[in-house]
Amino acid sequence: GQQVMQIPQYQHVQEGEDFTTYCNSSTTLSNIQWYKQRPGGHPVFLIQLVKSGEVKKQKRLTFQFGEAKKNSSLHITATQTTDVGTYFCAGPILTGGGNKLTFGTGTQLKVEL
Amino acid sequence: DGGITQSPKYLFRKEGQNVTLSCEQNLNHDAMYWYRQDPGQGLRLIYYSQIVNDFQKGDIAEGYSVSREKKESFPLTVTSAQKNPTAFYLCASSRTGHREETQYFGPGTRLLVL
Repeated sequence: GQQVMQIPQYQHVQEGEDFTTYCNSSTTLSNIQWYKQRPGGHPVFLIQLVKSGEVKKQKRLTFQFGEAKKNSSLHITATQTTDVGTYFCAGPILTGGGNKLTFGTGTQLKVEL
Repeated sequence: DGGITQSPKYLFRKEGQNVTLSCEQNLNHDAMYWYRQDPGQGLRLIYYSQIVNDFQKGDIAEGYSVSREKKESFPLTVTSAQKNPTAFYLCASSRTGHREETQYFGPGTRLLVL
């Protein structure tokens, strides 16, 4: 089963509010990737974090990799309707299907005007 | 967005029927992947291929088959053995297949059972 968990599963916010999704792995990760999937669309790569404690920003999005490299977060400041979608984290984990990129369960964000 | 195409966008399957989903890429990537996405769940790996004429089972390969006769193409067949095939199927590729690489996704195929 999934070894990369995300919380919350769903989040509704008013436009302008902040949003955070958390990603937790059962094992230490060499890196963590984040993807965004718009409604009806396909996942699109956002960013990759590699170093322990790393923080990267993309405009209103802030990504953080935990010190133990087992968790990560994505924070969006002052959400806009264009932020709507599902955000997935992904990390290389050994599963029954081999040592491949394993995607988290995703957090679906809805932004209301 | 460009580089990976999937067809058809929607596909309807009758009971007991095999159907094949197409995936083509012009990114010159060695590795290709098939994922299944169900509502409320993440992406689950069905099959992947790191080189022509070779592929490996992912986490949920039962009821599916693939082939990799050309570098550009990685078709997925959903067989009648897959009892719950209704889902969104995503094809992806990466440069070499190393586990830390970014993956690029196609637009997906929605499969519905009649």
